Amino acid sequence: DTEVTQTPKHLVMGMTNKKSLKCEQHMGHRAMYWYKQKAKKPPELMFVYSYEKLSINESVPSRFSPECPNSSLLNLHLHALQPEDSALYLCASSQDLFTATVPYGYTFGSGTRLTVV
Amino acid sequence: KNEVEQSPQNLTAQEGEFITINCSYSVGISALHWLQQHPGGGIVSLFMLSSGKKKHGRLIATINIQEKHSSLHITASHPRDSAVYICAVKYGGSQGNLIFGKGTKLSVKP
Repeated sequence: DTEVTQTPKHLVMGMTNKKSLKCEQHMGHRAMYWYKQKAKKPPELMFVYSYEKLSINESVPSRFSPECPNSSLLNLHLHALQPEDSALYLCASSQDLFTATVPYGYTFGSGTRLTVV
Repeated sequence: KNEVEQSPQNLTAQEGEFITINCSYSVGISALHWLQQHPGGGIVSLFMLSSGKKKHGRLIATINIQEKHSSLHITASHPRDSAVYICAVKYGGSQGNLIFGKGTKLSVKP
C-alpha cells in the first residue's frame, strides 16, 4: 500500500458543527502533515506530527485541532469554523522529518474539499 | 528569506509540444520536489531530486545545485498533462516541511 487515504472527499458543514477529517497511511511513515490550500494558491502547512507527537503548529487557530492516535492515522477535528476556512485540506506523509528514502519522499492524499456555510 | 520561484505562471501549449517549467530557489536545499495537481484534486509527487536528472515516461526533471535551479520537461505533451505543476523544496535541516512555489498552470490543447 503506497497511498495516503483521506476521508471524506467532500464535506459541507455549518459554522456551529463539529466534524473531523481523517488521513490514513500504511507505509510505515512516521511523519504526517496537514496542509490547507485555497483556490489557485500553493498549500500552506498547518501541522506536522513526528512519531505521533506534534512537532510543528504553524499558528493555526484553535478551531482546528489535530490528533495522531497512532502511527498510521492522523485526524483534524473541526469546530466553529468560519466561511473563510473553506479550502482543500491535504494530508501528506514522509519516512520521517529529516530523511526521504522512499521514491518520492512525500506522499500526498487526494484531499478533503471543505465548504463552511 | 527562503523563496521558491516558478516560471512561467501560466503556459498554454499545443498537443505534441515540448514543455519546460522552471524553478529557482534561494538557499541550499536537501531535496527538490516536482508535484502535479489536477483541478480540484490532490497532489501527485512526480519527482524528488537532490542532484542530476530523473526521467519517468515523458517527464524529465533536472537540477543544477550550483545555479539553484531545476527544470521539469514534458515531451510530446498531451491534453491529459493539463494540470498545475508545483515545485517544492526542503531546506537542509528544516523539520520536514516543504516550501512551495506558486505553481505553473499548464493547458495543453488538442
